[in-house]
Amino acid sequence: QQPVQSPQAVILREGEDAVINCSSSKALYSVHWYRQKHGEAPVFLMILLKGGEQKGHEKISASFNEKKQQSSLYLTASQLSYSGTYFCGTSDSWGKFQFGAGTQVVVTP
Amino acid sequence: DVKVTQSSRYLVKRTGEKVFLECVQDMDHENMFWYRQDPGLGLRLIYFSYDVKMKEKGDIPEGYSVSREKKERFSLILESASTNQTSMYLCASSPYRQGGGYTFGSGTRLTVV
Repeated sequence: QQPVQSPQAVILREGEDAVINCSSSKALYSVHWYRQKHGEAPVFLMILLKGGEQKGHEKISASFNEKKQQSSLYLTASQLSYSGTYFCGTSDSWGKFQFGAGTQVVVTP
Repeated sequence: DVKVTQSSRYLVKRTGEKVFLECVQDMDHENMFWYRQDPGLGLRLIYFSYDVKMKEKGDIPEGYSVSREKKERFSLILESASTNQTSMYLCASSPYRQGGGYTFGSGTRLTVV
């Protein structure tokens, strides 16, 4: 079963913050985050392994709460370049990797 | 700069044709993957390979086959193209056998008419 992302879409003004959540019904080994701009392939942002670590990519950071089987992606002081669709991907203890359906982010001037 | 290269950006093929989509990576990764991406359905795994001449079915392998004769090259074959195979096809390379940590190619938008 694929992970569930929320919200499905978010519209931000430049400089605003947003949070994207990714949750699973299964125990997770790792969470991966990708961003896909329109007409382009997804680009790998970061991987989080179980252990509750937090990572960052530019002003984009993420956390992984393995007890809640959930990861959150934080877009801080958003820039126009942050627009795109964000996908989480999860890997469980059986080694099965699956993508979420994606969250569309639109940053406006 | 590490790269995954897909041979065609756009393809138009006729129903019933045999179609080859080629993918080459220069990262020396063992693991390569083929996905298709459709609006509303997200990214779905077709096939993957964790070694030369090895292949594993993904979630939607029907109507497709693959070939991995060399480590750097992974081909997706549509045996007899149908209109429901019109899609964006993405090849990816990964250091992880189970997937994730992907470097994607730029994609091939295939239209079957």
